[in-house]
Parts: sequence; structure tokens; C-alpha cells
Amino acid sequence: ELKVEQNPLFLSMQEGKNYTIYCNYSTTSDRLYWYRQDPGKSLESLFVLLSNGAVKQEGRLMASLDTKARLSTLHITAAVHDLSATYFCAVDIGAGMRFGAGTRLTVKP
Amino acid sequence: SAVISQKPSRDICQRGTSLTIQCQVDSQVTMMFWYRQQPGQSLTLIATANQGSEATYESGFVIDKFPISRPNLTFSTLTVSNMSPEDSSIYLCSVDSIKASTDTQYFGPGTRLTVL
Repeated sequence: ELKVEQNPLFLSMQEGKNYTIYCNYSTTSDRLYWYRQDPGKSLESLFVLLSNGAVKQEGRLMASLDTKARLSTLHITAAVHDLSATYFCAVDIGAGMRFGAGTRLTVKP
Repeated sequence: SAVISQKPSRDICQRGTSLTIQCQVDSQVTMMFWYRQQPGQSLTLIATANQGSEATYESGFVIDKFPISRPNLTFSTLTVSNMSPEDSSIYLCSVDSIKASTDTQYFGPGTRLTVL
């Protein structure tokens, strides 16, 4: 059974700092997703990564995928308070997705 | 992108009753999915709903407890049957666009269910 491990589960950052969230998965997959969830809200799509070596950037967030290592990263550059949220990676399982446990990010002034 | 609506947005129900959640999409989609998010937890796939065929359930979820309908390419329902407090969760529908295989999967706003 596909397992998706995300770490860290909790992350407290100072504004202006950089950090990386890691997502490991146990079997091959065609697609990997990153989502953001604010408290009491649904999921907002950030990135979908389709191939080995794929890198996508949006603002202060950059996601990458290494299919050989079965690893995706979400890098945060110069964090700001507005990035405080829970971030999920999810792996396509052919029909639907298997989610990581989520990383609860808090950015402090 | 797909615009997804869910009804109801939230409900408080008594133990032993059933609730049907509706999911409407503004465009035709091949696959619709139902997820559960228990309090403070991640999302778990309940089932895949395809038009014209029976839903496919993930391990740990059964049709008697979570019957699903998919009458057309823009609509699906999930029923939570014979509810218990353990069913208190957010239920979200998600769609996989048929327009672009490189597209992401979109989520509805969710239905927050509390069972007393």
C-alpha cells in the first residue's frame, strides 16, 4: 500500500527565513500535488508535479519532484506571516490521491 | 479550473440518522472523489464515483455506510448512514478535470458534519 510521509509535521518559522518541507512516498506515481489549507477552509491547489526533475515556483514557494528518490520538496523562501497554513502533499493513486499528514506552518514576526 | 459547490455546508445530526451531501460541478468531469477529514487530521479517500458505474471504495469504507450516487457528469451525492459521533468530520468532494490531464484536482468547500 502506498504510504506518504511528510515532515516536519509542525514548523514554526521567523519571518524572512527559509525552510523546506519534505514528502516521501513509497511507490511510483505519475503525479504529485501540493495543497494549502487555511483553518476552517477547503484545500487550495498550489502545484501539480508530473515528471522527474519537475520544478515549479509561485511567489515564495517552490516545489520539486525526484521520482527516482520518491521525494518531493516544498521550499519556502523569506517566509511571511501570510504563509501560515497547513500544507499537504498528495500522491496520485490512479483514482484519487493519498495524502501526507500535513505540515502546520506558523510564521512569526 | 472547476468550480465546485457542496450542500449542506454544515450540519448537526443525531446519532442513528443519515445525511446526504450533494456535490455540483460547473463543468463535466470524468471522475469525482469523496474524502473525509477528521478533526485535526489529513484527508482520507472514501471512494471514487464514476458516472454510469458503481462507486469504488477504499479499504475501510463500505457502500452500506457511505452509499454514493453519480447520475451525470456534473453531480454526485454521498450519504453518511446510521451516523455515530465518530462520523463527525469534514466531507469534501474533489474532481479530476477531463479537459487537461496535466491539471490539478479541485476540491469543493466541504461539508462539516457534527454527530451528537
